[in-house]
Amino acid sequence: NAGVTQTPKFQVLKTGQSMTLQCAQDMNHEYMSWYRQDPGMGLRLIHYSVGAGITDQGEVPNGYNVSRSTTEDFPLRLLSAAPSQTSVYFCASSRTENNYGYTFGSGTRLTVV
Amino acid sequence: AQSVTQPDIHITVSEGASLELRCNYSYGATPYLFWYVQSPGQGLQLLLKYFSGDTLVQGIKGFEAEFKRSQSSFNLRKPSVHWSDAAEYFCAVGAWMEYGNKLVFGAGTILRVKS
Repeated sequence: NAGVTQTPKFQVLKTGQSMTLQCAQDMNHEYMSWYRQDPGMGLRLIHYSVGAGITDQGEVPNGYNVSRSTTEDFPLRLLSAAPSQTSVYFCASSRTENNYGYTFGSGTRLTVV
Repeated sequence: AQSVTQPDIHITVSEGASLELRCNYSYGATPYLFWYVQSPGQGLQLLLKYFSGDTLVQGIKGFEAEFKRSQSSFNLRKPSVHWSDAAEYFCAVGAWMEYGNKLVFGAGTILRVKS
């Protein structure tokens, strides 16, 4: 099993550009989430999904969009990149929304210049 | 609101010495508590978790943690540190949301191991 796969691993964007961070899991997990990691702040939840067609906001959702059309994929869209979105982004999944057995991807390091 | 405090940003220990990483949490109900480790350039790996029962929890790689409700603490310990333990360690508490749960993380503690 590949687990949770995130692409790309690194990305540099110019302010105002848009892009999509990809996340895919092959474990048939219903629950998927996106976190951002910033120095001295740990990880903070951006958006999450409890199944196809169901998404909700986390702690820091502004500037990001998500959708969940399949169980396997949970892309994160940056609508108009800002320097404040420079961060490391992690996707995580678990079997159900009540299961804390998260599997994390290896992360996407995004720099917005 | 739930929160997690890791008072130590950096800790340096000698190889073979014992280790204790501190974690304090704020949560209204019985907490679900976790310790994760992150090696450079990698994702997070679960070391151990506490849901209920025995307050001393054993994890992988020789780590253990003790839940102390009276002190709102969940400190991570290892009797003898190896150079490969150098990494960043995150304490987290599980919290409920409208449709599911989330992890609320502390800011992390960077462990350096000197030979």
